[in-house]
Amino acid sequence: AQSVTQLDSHVSVSEGTPVLLRCNYSSSYSPSLFWYVQHPNKGLQLLLKYTSAATLVKGINGFEAEFKKSETSFHLTKPSAHMSDAAEYFCVVRPSGGYNKLIFGAGTRLAVHP
Amino acid sequence: GAVVSQHPSWVICKSGTSVKIECRSLDFQATTMFWYRQFPKQSLMLMATSNEGSKATYEQGVEKDKFLINHASLTLSTLTVTSAHPEDSSFYICSARLTGNSNQPQHFGDGTRLSIL
Repeated sequence: AQSVTQLDSHVSVSEGTPVLLRCNYSSSYSPSLFWYVQHPNKGLQLLLKYTSAATLVKGINGFEAEFKKSETSFHLTKPSAHMSDAAEYFCVVRPSGGYNKLIFGAGTRLAVHP
Repeated sequence: GAVVSQHPSWVICKSGTSVKIECRSLDFQATTMFWYRQFPKQSLMLMATSNEGSKATYEQGVEKDKFLINHASLTLSTLTVTSAHPEDSSFYICSARLTGNSNQPQHFGDGTRLSIL
């Protein structure tokens, strides 16, 4: 069965320091992987997606993620956190051939301190 | 591009009333739209897949008669919570995917917070 595990429910960083949000997935075949961000009382905004092209994916707002098949990971990083990055982040898997069904991680709440 | 608009953003109503939530794709056509429910501090749970011109596909455990879905056009899907009760209070989010390209990501609306008194 496919699943997504976000290893940290909360991450707290200081402004200007690097961000690392960890995600591991379980999928039988080559999945598509996404990171979405959700600000309070808002819907989800797509940060980036991996669909079997380059393993290092660059997204919006300076975020990037690296697909590592051997580690079944898709961690999200950013070199320097901004206050505006404080939000909930979801790692999402779309199994191969499963064009409708998205499998969501539990989410990681990122706090950014001055 | 790929903007999804959801309306209303916030609803407060009495127990027993029905509430309709609209989901519109503003700048693209969406044969398929999706309805999710999100409880506080939890992830999204897919409720149903809305298909233009046909019946919605509901996930296991979701009551079809409770959550009515209509997808009458390529840009509009509606979710009606019938005879709402306090346990239906939640954050409802819709998403849409571009027609004709099932490999595209889903684009999400801003959600509707439903509070039943």
